[in-house]
Amino acid sequence: DTAVSQTPKYLVTQMGNDKSIKCEQNLGHDTMYWYKQDSKKFLKIMFSYNNKELIINETVPNRFSPKSPDKAHLNLHINSLELGDSAVYFCASSQDLKGANEQFFGPGTRLTVL
Amino acid sequence: AQSVTQLGSHVSVSEGALVLLRCNYSSSVPPYLFWYVQYPNQGLQLLLKYTSAATLVKGINGFEAEFKKSETSFHLTKPSAHMSDAAEYFCAVSASTGGFKTIFGAGTRLFVKA
Repeated sequence: DTAVSQTPKYLVTQMGNDKSIKCEQNLGHDTMYWYKQDSKKFLKIMFSYNNKELIINETVPNRFSPKSPDKAHLNLHINSLELGDSAVYFCASSQDLKGANEQFFGPGTRLTVL
Repeated sequence: AQSVTQLGSHVSVSEGALVLLRCNYSSSVPPYLFWYVQYPNQGLQLLLKYTSAATLVKGINGFEAEFKKSETSFHLTKPSAHMSDAAEYFCAVSASTGGFKTIFGAGTRLFVKA
């Protein structure tokens, strides 16, 4: 069973479109995250949720809106896609907010904006 | 706030040679330190972590890292490289302060030559 799953794995779309990425974890964790990894492999936190509550909201354009319907799911909706949004987006989860906890990552969603 | 610096964006070793990937951290409070590995087209997975117990930490696949407070370092080593070790390696830091964020280094790409 996949611990952290994301759909879709690949997403190719035109500028200006709206798209969503879904994430689910079956580990029973309380905390979930979205990261953006650029072409140079730099990994940057975007959002984190703990028990459906938004904890971290980095300086991300408000075109990006996360939603957590329950603590096992964290989706990412992106409006008005731009070329610079092209990247790999990773969902991750951890047991809770404690800094000592490892994070479990999904396989990533490669978003290409044309 | 915490930060982490990985020295060398690319490291190349021969199969069977020592692997040494360097990581220095900055933290005003005792840190938690992690090494993650990312194989091509996959998410990150934990190699090992330091959480203030033993300063020499052993991880999966024969990797280990030593926490040296005086040098603010957490270098990753493996005595003998295998071809399968070729991947991107990320050092990461978190702490009881810092807004529950884990900060990742820029990554080091390890190449293993036959």
